[in-house]
Amino acid sequence: GQQLNQSPQSMFIQEGEDVSMNCTSSSIFNTWLWYKQDPGEGPVLLIALYKAGELTSNGRLTAQFGITRKDSFLNISASIPSDVGIYFCAGRNNFGNEKLTFGTGTRLTIIP
Amino acid sequence: DAGVIQSPRHEVTEMGQEVTLRCKPISGHDYLFWYRQTMMRGLELLIYFNNNVPIDDSGMPEDRFSAKMPNASFSTLKIQPSEPRDSAVYFCASSLKLSTRGLAPYFGPGTRLTVL
Repeated sequence: GQQLNQSPQSMFIQEGEDVSMNCTSSSIFNTWLWYKQDPGEGPVLLIALYKAGELTSNGRLTAQFGITRKDSFLNISASIPSDVGIYFCAGRNNFGNEKLTFGTGTRLTIIP
Repeated sequence: DAGVIQSPRHEVTEMGQEVTLRCKPISGHDYLFWYRQTMMRGLELLIYFNNNVPIDDSGMPEDRFSAKMPNASFSTLKIQPSEPRDSAVYFCASSLKLSTRGLAPYFGPGTRLTVL
């Protein structure tokens, strides 16, 4: 199936560093969602974005809905060990159909 | 509050056997989704229901897959007969649609299926 382009694919950072990742699409989306998945668990919803240009925070996480409506960004400030995991973006491009397209994921690893 | 509940968490079966995965959505949610996750294809939507009615099943791989939602608190995904290529993690997710916003599905812990 169709997937969004998510980058980077993986990140190796030190505790305390800030993290940035993004998701791009060739088509316009009207909803962007960001999820985190830990090993052996289901994705957990972090942030939902519904309007172009929208900037939303959830603790140390901040996500933005790109003004072109073809991209979204997630930033994590002052990373901590529990931030380790795989982050997925997901987008919806059609009102009336609730299908989400998921990104390929960004694997975050914190180097001790 | 209880989240989405899935059972079993792990299933190992032999090729040709019938497999039934179960899901209890979050109470009050009116949308239910079945996703499949593999390394090769990532997260794929198989089918989703609104108020117990299947709305889009275009992601269901083939006739061997079927899904039902007999009531608002229970859904099943059945594979008959199962094949090794069906091995994956199957997630159920549910959501409540707000009039002013789109859906944001909440996922269950998944069922890891291995078909030998």
